[in-house]
Amino acid sequence: DGGITQSPKYLFRKEGQNVTLSCEQNLNHDAMYWYRQDPGQGLRLIYYSQIVNDFQKGDIAEGYSVSREKKESFPLTVTSAQKNPTAFYLCASNTFGNTIYFGEGSWLTVV
Amino acid sequence: SQQGEEDPQALSIQEGENATMNCSYKTSINNLQWYRQNSGRGLVHLILIRSNEREKHSGRLRVTLDTSKKSSSLLITASRAADTASYFCATDAQGAQKLVFGQGTRLTINP
Repeated sequence: DGGITQSPKYLFRKEGQNVTLSCEQNLNHDAMYWYRQDPGQGLRLIYYSQIVNDFQKGDIAEGYSVSREKKESFPLTVTSAQKNPTAFYLCASNTFGNTIYFGEGSWLTVV
Repeated sequence: SQQGEEDPQALSIQEGENATMNCSYKTSINNLQWYRQNSGRGLVHLILIRSNEREKHSGRLRVTLDTSKKSSSLLITASRAADTASYFCATDAQGAQKLVFGQGTRLTINP
């Protein structure tokens, strides 16, 4: 089936540790996005990429990094510089101007 | 910065009643999309309405768009318990290749 796969579903991070969230899509979409959602809140854009090897910062990029080496993959690294990383992370993709499709999300908790 | 703002923040109605949610935005858009999110899950796309459209239907869903007032509404008719979820509007601002979400409306359908 076509879609967006995020892994892992649940991830725990120790203080000072970097962690990477995976996002893979087989929809042949050019654009991919990472959003953060805090409990009871809306989605905030972290990074987005319109084409391979290019990406732009969203509204809350500090403490995060991404890469886009392949069209189907857009991993997000939560670095130790992100002081409050506990949240729900959502990956999405689309062909620009059209419907954005979301993965099932990843829960990140600091322990 | 938030582009879309939903109103009300929370809505509780009886099963079978209609539910109306509103979304306002600030700048000119290419399109506006409505999404549903069940607790702890990814977002499910409901309807995309383009800036040159005024109304769209999909099953029990009706979306209107008033670009002069920079607002949209989502109507769910004959509500069911399964409609309990959070509903978000997202706007694709002209000149900006990203989708910006509001804070959402939490809809509860009481049996």
